[in-house]
Amino acid sequence: SQQGEEDPQALSIQEGENATMNCSYKTSINNLQWYRQNSGRGLVHLILIRSNEREKHSGRLRVTLDTSKKSSSLLITASRAADTASYFCATDAFTSGTYKYIFGTGTRLKVLA
Amino acid sequence: SAVISQKPSRDICQRGTSLTIQCQVDSQVTMMFWYRQQPGQSLTLIATANQGSEATYESGFVIDKFPISRPNLTFSTLTVSNMSPEDSSIYLCSVWFGPNTEAFFGQGTRLTVV
Repeated sequence: SQQGEEDPQALSIQEGENATMNCSYKTSINNLQWYRQNSGRGLVHLILIRSNEREKHSGRLRVTLDTSKKSSSLLITASRAADTASYFCATDAFTSGTYKYIFGTGTRLKVLA
Repeated sequence: SAVISQKPSRDICQRGTSLTIQCQVDSQVTMMFWYRQQPGQSLTLIATANQGSEATYESGFVIDKFPISRPNLTFSTLTVSNMSPEDSSIYLCSVWFGPNTEAFFGQGTRLTVV
């Protein structure tokens, strides 16, 4: 089951522009994480934001979390062609007596040189 | 952190057969997850495979189709049984050390059923 919905599903921008993608989730969480996946490759962990944090930065990445709206956003500033990839949010939650680690639907980002 | 070795990396199988995917972790970890990722799609959780308990399957996945073993804290297998072309996908194992930590992933098994 998918915990989160991401939008947009696909995003195409010019190199140097900023890219923003959003993630909404359904249940209470301990934290939310963002991953990148290049085509046909493995997952790369980008950033983790805890449920008691509202904003976090890592290099050109800025993540926000609004637990009241059950949503998060990932901003990539000054995008590069190498940022072309799919981006997924993932949340951990304790439900039905077990922890689950569930991914959103993903955003496919294409950065044009 | 954890390094995960997943085998096989890819396979082409005949319909009606079964394939067992192995996941070996270089450290002991309680929580392990198996995912399926269909082309162009996100990761869908198949089941949670914690050592010491039966696997917990997500809606749409059943034990008869996807039996899982978790004999110890460093190893697990997922079997895709009685395969059909609809099972063609990438299957990934993942380990997780608990809340507020990142999950670690194997490189995936690319399965094609013909």
